[in-house]
Amino acid sequence: EVQLVQSGAEVKKPGESLKISCKGSGYSFTNYWIGWVRQMPGKGLEWMGIIYPRDSDTRYSPSFQGQVTISADKSITTAYLQWSSLKASDTAMYYCARHDGGSGSYSYWGQGTLVTVSS
Amino acid sequence: QSVLTQPPSVSGAPGQRVIISCTGTSSNIGAGYDVHWYQQRPGTAPKPLIYVNSNRPSGVPDRFSGSKSGTSASLAITGLQAEDEADYYCQSYDSSLGGSGVFGTGTKVTVL
Repeated sequence: EVQLVQSGAEVKKPGESLKISCKGSGYSFTNYWIGWVRQMPGKGLEWMGIIYPRDSDTRYSPSFQGQVTISADKSITTAYLQWSSLKASDTAMYYCARHDGGSGSYSYWGQGTLVTVSS
Repeated sequence: QSVLTQPPSVSGAPGQRVIISCTGTSSNIGAGYDVHWYQQRPGTAPKPLIYVNSNRPSGVPDRFSGSKSGTSASLAITGLQAEDEADYYCQSYDSSLGGSGVFGTGTKVTVL
């Protein structure tokens, strides 16, 4: 069974750093891109970027380029999303999702990680 | 950031048919990129509903159907049921954003 299990909720202060994770199982982790999606409170879905774990090829949405870093460790089948200096506006739910190269859709999603940034 | 426009809300009585539009441009849907649809119930992760314009994943009822034409796509729900009350998002890609993925603005479906 394909599963993407994300790390737990985080509460951070502005200026702090953070790295959240997404562990894939039940499939060949290195054969599928993993994407990250932001959902701010009460708002819609926003595509942030995507990584190919086999070679760590990474693409970012222009809106998120330079704001976050996406990485992966194929040895432990885990993808990451990290911030070096959080802002209050980073408060959101973050989802990882497996990209199906053949269709271009996201067929499996993690349960989401809620990040709250508040002083 | 959303370059795909959806109506904020649609509603219908049980058993009725509702249609959600997803309007793009020549750099996304009109450029030939496929459209995918997701359903999101409150407090849960998005669930795949339609992929490659009109295909249903296993387990999705045939009450849901998708289509694409020109710079737009549509999701139709026939025989509306109470459990269909949720948010719906279209998704595609955009060449003007370097091939980045893009989501629609989202549509809230209310079952009256």
